[in-house]
Amino acid sequence: SQQGEEDPQALSIQEGENATMNCSYKTSINNLQWYRQNSGRGLVHLILIRSNEREKHSGRLRVTLDTSKKSSSLLITASRAADTASYFCATDGNDMRFGAGTRLTVKP
Amino acid sequence: GAVVSQHPSWVICKSGTSVKIECRSLDFQATTMFWYRQFPKQSLMLMATSNEGSKATYEQGVEKDKFLINHASLTLSTLTVTSAHPEDSSFYICSASSGGKNIQYFGAGTRLSVL
Repeated sequence: SQQGEEDPQALSIQEGENATMNCSYKTSINNLQWYRQNSGRGLVHLILIRSNEREKHSGRLRVTLDTSKKSSSLLITASRAADTASYFCATDGNDMRFGAGTRLTVKP
Repeated sequence: GAVVSQHPSWVICKSGTSVKIECRSLDFQATTMFWYRQFPKQSLMLMATSNEGSKATYEQGVEKDKFLINHASLTLSTLTVTSAHPEDSSFYICSASSGGKNIQYFGAGTRLSVL
């Protein structure tokens, strides 16, 4: 089954810095989605990028997709302490599969 | 946005008892609901997918007789962990999607502790 694989597994930055997380997947996709999970909570959908899109923005979030490399990146600009969470990418197909996630810590 | 309510958020039970977890879509009709299990600092593992009115499709390795899933209406799915054992202790998360959209809306999760 398809699965997103995020890297790094953990990322620690200072408030105000940018955070970049990467995701790789294995097979063809229709779209790729990024989710956020606060500790002990459910996931919140952040952004969806379709296979024919290369870049998408939403507020401080910027997602890129390179289907030739089967990879995507999530950039959070001007990070805040409240951005501390785990971030997952998920690919579609017949069903959705999640990667292990990147644990982001933003220090105030 | 779409809201999914999951209840209870935390449950402690004795070994051998059964626990039911509810997942409700509050403001949309969920044609498909998903149940995941998540271990600490790990990803979500899909347990099963259920479509309203039909039997759930379980992932390989998930015991359907132990994890009973019912999707009786377009707004409600339940997961019953039968004869729970300490190894069933985990964080269980449901999600719901509607129509042809691929976005899943997640519940807040249920932390199950089996003593």
